[in-house]
Amino acid sequence: DAKTTQPTSMDCAEGRAANLPCNHSTISGNEYVYWYRQIHSQGPQYIIHGLKNNETNEMASLIITEDRKSSTLILPHATLRDTAVYYCIVTSYSSASKIIFGSGTRLSIRP
Amino acid sequence: DAMVIQNPRYQVTQFGKPVTLSCSQTLNHNVMYWYQQKSSQAPKLLFHYYDKDFNNEADTPDNFQSRRPNTSFCFLDIRSPGLGDAAMYLCATSRDPGKSSYEQYFGPGTRLTVT
Repeated sequence: DAKTTQPTSMDCAEGRAANLPCNHSTISGNEYVYWYRQIHSQGPQYIIHGLKNNETNEMASLIITEDRKSSTLILPHATLRDTAVYYCIVTSYSSASKIIFGSGTRLSIRP
Repeated sequence: DAMVIQNPRYQVTQFGKPVTLSCSQTLNHNVMYWYQQKSSQAPKLLFHYYDKDFNNEADTPDNFQSRRPNTSFCFLDIRSPGLGDAAMYLCATSRDPGKSSYEQYFGPGTRLTVT
């Protein structure tokens, strides 16, 4: 599975959009981009995933560049409850959806 | 609500004393995973079951074993816990990947302390 690179930490003001970048320059054609988050002392939570098109759900939007080498997770109106570590993961369906977690981005939402 | 349940949430065991952590799911998912997460680190995959097929990660120590008696339950056995095995253990499930890719659903974790 392709490796991902994320900033170690970010912060965002409450109510503003939080934009979390991820680089995955070695991604291959059958690999999906997934985002999970982990709030302190809880299990990770699925947010969103995509293959090549932009995706949106009730939690977030995922923007994947045309060359698929990078993506951005957007939380449109960040709240204090969005404070968590956010993991960008690349995986293919052929690997039984195995997740290899990187170090993630620690997002802090300030009041 | 369909979910992934882990019991107990907190487990204390003695150095060298075998311990079993349990996971159950009501999602009827084919695949079940076990992860280890040490303090301030990302979760690390130990192994997974695809139905009854066991798949071990190459660097998972032999001290860690797993059983899946049926679709709903999966157990993590640590045969001789060492101090370095103190961690949060996370169970997760996903649907049969088939020709697509599916998200994983995680339980709340069991925090293991070794004394």
